[in-house]
Amino acid sequence: ETGVTQTPRHLVMGMTNKKSLKCEQHLGHNAMYWYKQSAKKPLELMFVYNFKEQTENNSVPSRFSPECPNSSHLFLHLHTLQPEDSALYLCASSQGRNDEQFFGPGTRLTVL
Amino acid sequence: RKEVEQDPGPFNVPEGATVAFNCTYSNSASQSFFWYRQDCRKEPKLLMSVYSSGNEDGRFTAQLNRASQYISLLIRDSKLSDSATYLCVVNMDSSASKIIFGSGTRLSIRP
Repeated sequence: ETGVTQTPRHLVMGMTNKKSLKCEQHLGHNAMYWYKQSAKKPLELMFVYNFKEQTENNSVPSRFSPECPNSSHLFLHLHTLQPEDSALYLCASSQGRNDEQFFGPGTRLTVL
Repeated sequence: RKEVEQDPGPFNVPEGATVAFNCTYSNSASQSFFWYRQDCRKEPKLLMSVYSSGNEDGRFTAQLNRASQYISLLIRDSKLSDSATYLCVVNMDSSASKIIFGSGTRLSIRP
């Protein structure tokens, strides 16, 4: 498998559920990212990991919790989300932090 | 002023036309610049990086104007398959902590 993969592709969850989004990159990149894309809004950078270390948390609420066990895998743990958290969550990776990013297909999340 | 600003469009042009978009950015210390395209309900895909000297890839030409703080994308001989939303991306520092996506310009090519 090549590129950046994300699972699940679609997720519906209640506000009291706990779920996790998974991202895997097969490109040998060192940096990985989580983005949120809401309807009619630009992509918002949520978290940045470089060599497994979190280098940025862009004021994201604590109900979103990232985990990066190694340079190829990135998780986003979700807990007690709100309906306004419904969006497309995109994972990306890049060789270095200034390099072009390659995106996964995204997880379309609906919070009921 | 927004950190990265694009004309949302839509631009509706006939097949074969030449179309150009601009994207302005607020931080003069911005480090790197990219154009991505995003099709409806799909992930963004890198179209091209934007270099200081300008760069061309087939029908696509990207330019950077640091003095006026904008980047541009020119599409020549447009095809129906060019219909998409074009996203301007600016990395405002070297640590990737300040990656800003523009809201995108919608392009529609008509036969």
